[in-house]
Amino acid sequence: GAVVSQHPSWVICKSGTSVKIECRSLDFQATTMFWYRQFPKQSLMLMATSNEGSKATYEQGVEKDKFLINHASLTLSTLTVTSAHPEDSSFYICSLAGGSDTQYFGPGTRLTVL
Amino acid sequence: QKEVEQDPGPLSVPEGAIVSLNCTYSNSAFQYFMWYRQYSRKGPELLMYTYSSGNKEDGRFTAQVDKSSKYISLFIRDSQPSDSATYLCAMSAYAIKAAGNKLTFGGGTRVLVKP
Repeated sequence: GAVVSQHPSWVICKSGTSVKIECRSLDFQATTMFWYRQFPKQSLMLMATSNEGSKATYEQGVEKDKFLINHASLTLSTLTVTSAHPEDSSFYICSLAGGSDTQYFGPGTRLTVL
Repeated sequence: QKEVEQDPGPLSVPEGAIVSLNCTYSNSAFQYFMWYRQYSRKGPELLMYTYSSGNKEDGRFTAQVDKSSKYISLFIRDSQPSDSATYLCAMSAYAIKAAGNKLTFGGGTRVLVKP
């Protein structure tokens, strides 16, 4: 399967600051990437679908101005959490699709907002 | 009612036993079914992928799909302590290669395999 990396793996930030999370496809050109959020002991919740070269599609209830997604190339998508607050603390996971039969997930990024 | 239901567990079994996991769903349009394994604080890892009804076997893992009952299962034979993880079922109406298609996940079942 495709190899997906995320950076950073863990980040702690102060309330009100912005945090950028990178998702890279190491061996596959991904036209579509997905961003998920997972709270402790809960399943994955899709936040948005990121399409290379176009605007992301956000799920209902996800603020597009707060969670900025940029899919600038076929191997890189970024998620920026703007003006982060403690309730944004979560595990953020990306996945990629396009040309494969299923989705392959990154290792996740743990965000803690103080 | 959620589109995909999965017992959260935990499901505790002794080493060597068969682990039996399942999900039920309500959307009859689902045709593609997946099982993922997720260790704590890690991303999900694809275990099995099946299309439509039937069985699929891969090593110690067997996936079954019964579309008439809207029920899917995953069996793990000869379970090992390293199989202790959360298992997520996921499904979609279209092939994931169709760009932008989304997965619908179950809530996950936590499995503990005791030595």
